[in-house]
Amino acid sequence: EAGVTQFPSHSVIEKGQTVTLRCDPISGHDNLYWYRRVMGKEIKFLLHFVKESKQDESGMPNNRFLAERTGGTYSTLKVQPAELEDSGVYFCASSQGGTGNTEAFFGQGTRLTVV
Amino acid sequence: GESVGLHLPTLSVQEGDNSIINCAYSNSASDYFIWYKQESGKGPQFIIDIRSNMDKRQGQRVTVLLNKTVKHLSLQIAATQPGDSAVYFCAEKAYGQNFVFGPGTRLSVLP
Repeated sequence: EAGVTQFPSHSVIEKGQTVTLRCDPISGHDNLYWYRRVMGKEIKFLLHFVKESKQDESGMPNNRFLAERTGGTYSTLKVQPAELEDSGVYFCASSQGGTGNTEAFFGQGTRLTVV
Repeated sequence: GESVGLHLPTLSVQEGDNSIINCAYSNSASDYFIWYKQESGKGPQFIIDIRSNMDKRQGQRVTVLLNKTVKHLSLQIAATQPGDSAVYFCAEKAYGQNFVFGPGTRLSVLP
C-alpha cells in the first residue's frame, strides 16, 4: 500500500510568486493534516481536513495560505504571494476516519525555499 | 534534505549504549502520544505510541514511558545503533483535537 506522497519534494520560488503543494493521503484515510517546520523549529499544525471539509484551520498563518481537498481525496496547499518567512518544510499526514486517536502517517515533506 | 535545527537539544551516545529522550507535554487532556523519528530529507516516521491508560509500552528495542502526573514522556532506545541517529519528536493528542509536536531532540550516535 502506498504511503502519503507529497509533490514536489523541493520548490524554490521568488518572493511574490505562487506555489502549490500537493498531498496524496493513504487511500481510505478521511483525516488529512498539513504541518510546517520552519528553520528547524518544532512541527507546527496548519490545518485538518475530514474528507473534503476543513475541520480545523486555526494554524493557518494568514490569508496568503489556501488549502483545498477536492472530493475528499488529495489536497493542495497554495501560498500566494509567497514571502521569505514561508520557507520551511511542509508536511502532510493522514489518518483513519473519526476524531479518535489513531496514528498519523506522514509524507516526506515539501521543502519550500522563498528567495 | 531538510536541515537540522541548529538549536535543537542534542543527545550524544556511544554506539551500543542505551538512549533516553525526554519530552514534556503541555495539555493535561492529552490521552494519546506518539514518538516520531525524522531522518534528514524524510518525513516523521512512527516509532511507537502509547495511550493514557498505560504508563509503559515496549516495542522492538524501544520503550515509551508515560508519567501523567508530571506530564512527561520518555523514549528509551536499547543498544543504540548508528541508524538511530535522527531527530526525535514526541506528539500529544487530545480526543477531537490535533497532534501537537514537541520541539524535537537530535540524537547523535558516536562510533
